Amino acid sequence: QVQLVQSGAEVKKPGASVKVSCKASGYTFTNYYMHWVRQAPGQGLEWMGLINPSYGSTNYAQKFLGRVTMTWDTSTSTLYMELSSLRSEDTAVFYCARAPSSTSPMDVWGQGTTVTVSS
Amino acid sequence: DIQMTQSPSSLSASVGDRVTITCRASQSISNYLNWYQQKPGKAPKLLIFAASSLQSGVPSRFSGSGSGTDFTLTISSLQPEDFASYHCQQSYSTTWTFGQGTKVEIK
Repeated sequence: QVQLVQSGAEVKKPGASVKVSCKASGYTFTNYYMHWVRQAPGQGLEWMGLINPSYGSTNYAQKFLGRVTMTWDTSTSTLYMELSSLRSEDTAVFYCARAPSSTSPMDVWGQGTTVTVSS
Repeated sequence: DIQMTQSPSSLSASVGDRVTITCRASQSISNYLNWYQQKPGKAPKLLIFAASSLQSGVPSRFSGSGSGTDFTLTISSLQPEDFASYHCQQSYSTTWTFGQGTKVEIK
């Protein structure tokens, strides 16, 4: 069945970087966009950006420009989201979610990865 | 960026109640509006796409309406499993945005 399995929880110090992975299975990896969404504790969902593994194109939310990098590895059907210069406000659950096109909804989500930023 | 404003931010309702949540966009987004349900500790789940299309497997008590800037999610008869948070999200622009969410609690 279609699945997105994310990497495990991370604890990072302020100023560090974190790289979260999202392994896709059960569908043709390059046929779908992948979005990344952040949710701080007790808060709503925040769209971070998307990547199109077929063309290698990315589109990031203004808020994260310069700090986020989304990449992929076709050989392992795995996508990555790296966030740098971490601060305590980045403590959140990060989700990957696929979408069939740039305007289609996110129909399958990963289970989420908790990133805690603390000194 | 297109701003999405949901209301209310929370509500209390009883099983069997009709519940309505609204979402307003800061500019016209045609029908590029999606609704997600999220239970505590879980990933969001797609309920409604393109403003009014029901995702496969979602109960028919959920419905969506609207176009342009004003949208509504309606639960016709609230069930125990519907107590959750609901999020609207626009996919009209190249950068997507979510509403702040609505928490539906048991009265």
